[in-house]
Amino acid sequence: EAGVAQSPRYKIIEKRQSVAFWCNPISGHATLYWYQQILGQGPKLLIQFQNNGVVDDSQLPKDRFSAERLKGVDSTLKIQPAKLEDSAVYLCASSLDQGSPYEQYFGPGTRLTVT
Amino acid sequence: KQEVTQIPAALSVPEGENLVLNCSFTDSAIYNLQWFRQDPGKGLTSLLLIQSSQREQTSGRLNASLDKSSGRSTLYIAASQPGDSATYLCADTGTYKYIFGTGTRLKVLA
Repeated sequence: EAGVAQSPRYKIIEKRQSVAFWCNPISGHATLYWYQQILGQGPKLLIQFQNNGVVDDSQLPKDRFSAERLKGVDSTLKIQPAKLEDSAVYLCASSLDQGSPYEQYFGPGTRLTVT
Repeated sequence: KQEVTQIPAALSVPEGENLVLNCSFTDSAIYNLQWFRQDPGKGLTSLLLIQSSQREQTSGRLNASLDKSSGRSTLYIAASQPGDSATYLCADTGTYKYIFGTGTRLKVLA
């Protein structure tokens, strides 16, 4: 079974530029998550989708971050404009359904460097 | 609000040592406790998941325990190897949202 796919794996941009990340979850998984992991910290949930609807985006900086999950499968996370403090690893995860006991499976992440 | 803490932040040990990584949480109403491994530049690999009704789980050289009353979980690694070098994260899987600790960066010296 294929795992969670993410691209690109690495991205370097200058501040004020825009960037987009892509995630393809495990086939059949209804729930998709985007996490931000700043160096030396644990992952922090940015947004959670159930199919193509948003369940939780309470920690998403909505003035610059946006995410969508069209057709309830793939998802994109966009940052516009980027700031230096957005440098982090962005992890995508998926689960069969939301909540326990449904375990989350994580992709390899996208490492973003903002200069 | 659940807070998850891992101490120490970094640890270096010689090869062959048995070691314990600690994870503390503030809310004893934890759902499940999951331990992950993260290699540099990589995603998270699940190691062990302890359900709230369980006290421990074992996989190979790894043993994880959960004590909800004291707000602690430990990950025991037996006979450590250089290949065990990575960051180890614990997480309260919650009822619908994972809450992660800050991680312990482990280096096993050959």
